[in-house]
Amino acid sequence: DIQMTQSPSSLSASVGDRVTITCRASQSISNYFNWYQQRPGKAPKLLIYAASSLQSGVPSRFSGSGSGTDFTLTISSLQPEDFATYYCQQTYTTPTFGQGTKVDFK
Amino acid sequence: EVQLVESGGGLVKPGQSLRLSCTASDFTFGEYAMSWFRQAPGKGLEWVGFIRSNGFGGTTAYAASVKGRFTISRDDSKSIAYLHMNSLKSEDTAVYYCGRDIKCGGDCYNFDYWGQGTMVTVSS
Repeated sequence: DIQMTQSPSSLSASVGDRVTITCRASQSISNYFNWYQQRPGKAPKLLIYAASSLQSGVPSRFSGSGSGTDFTLTISSLQPEDFATYYCQQTYTTPTFGQGTKVDFK
Repeated sequence: EVQLVESGGGLVKPGQSLRLSCTASDFTFGEYAMSWFRQAPGKGLEWVGFIRSNGFGGTTAYAASVKGRFTISRDDSKSIAYLHMNSLKSEDTAVYYCGRDIKCGGDCYNFDYWGQGTMVTVSS
């Protein structure tokens, strides 16, 4: 299985902050890579697919980059509804997820 | 609006079986591959398995942790995907979600719609 490692595991931020989360794959996966957001008690929501494509309906403050083994999710200006846990996922083979990054209030 | 609704969760004893259902609405269910996922309390997401559309053979694949114990099936006439779980263990305790894969002509693993989840607790 391809292992996905996110960092940090958690971070504290304020509304308006620029937030960056990274994810590393255990082998090269080209751009076969997604980001999801999960709010407490809710199902995951697809934010970014193919490493950098914004899913329909997702605000433009979310962006993704990377290829190969290293990927980044950036939230340009954190909003109150963005406090959540974020997961990366590889789609190169049967899917595996990172362990999650919890974004909470500073 | 596309909806996925899981049902069938509950409390079972180790070694028992359970069947979960994922009922879909507002899309042509038979054209899509469907996956099951789980999330143990306070933990991250784990993909459990998927079933391709019948147009791609209706074949299945499973995570190593459940292979041989869990089976996924589908009834396109009812727009339902099932997760049959046998020989349940305490480590299977989790919220179980179903998710729809996008259509891309193959195995995409881009899950654009998810259900709200159903809790399965395995305990004596």
